Amino acid sequence: QKEVEQDPGPLSVPEGAIVSLNCTYSNSAFQYFMWYRQYSRKGPELLMYTYSSGNKEDGRFTAQVDKSSKYISLFIRDSQPSDSATYLCAMTYTGNQFYFGTGTSLTVIP
Amino acid sequence: SQTIHQWPATLVQPVGSPLSLECTVEGTSNPNLYWYRQAAGRGLQLLFYSVGIGQISSEVPQNLSASRPQDRQFILSSKKLLLSDSGFYLCAWSVPLRATNEKLFFGSGTQLSVL
Repeated sequence: QKEVEQDPGPLSVPEGAIVSLNCTYSNSAFQYFMWYRQYSRKGPELLMYTYSSGNKEDGRFTAQVDKSSKYISLFIRDSQPSDSATYLCAMTYTGNQFYFGTGTSLTVIP
Repeated sequence: SQTIHQWPATLVQPVGSPLSLECTVEGTSNPNLYWYRQAAGRGLQLLFYSVGIGQISSEVPQNLSASRPQDRQFILSSKKLLLSDSGFYLCAWSVPLRATNEKLFFGSGTQLSVL
């Protein structure tokens, strides 16, 4: 079983839609959770970072962590064509190892 | 603010040729440094990480090696490239916050094609 599972998509939505991206994980020791946005042929950009359970909001983006279910989500409100990218989830516990999902490809259609 | 520089952005090399990719970090000291390879649809594969000068941990035995000659410099090398070395290579760094490494920041990546 992989440490982190992420649906690869692709996901295609109309502009203005609410997007929900999800990851599940198996290791209950994970405490720190990240979402990255990656445009084609570019390095991943840290989008959201959360510690432990709960929600964190930043503009149109909301990151949600449910440690009891080992499930994290990223919500994008009022999606824009510029949100078209691959979204990677990542997580870690105390240490130097980061565990990544394989990424979900998102296309927002104007 | 901290920045990470990775070059070149694109590289085409013949099979059997050597490789040297360089990464430098600015605006921080004693970072943890990482080399990842990203294959299409297969996610990020950790190749090497370093917690200090001269300290390299290899995650995957392969045709590649890494070195950290200075605190904020990380180099990925190969003596003889294989076709299977083609891929998108990413350098990354993290800094302990509250004695834990929670955030990882990436460079812009190098697309390597071995022909």
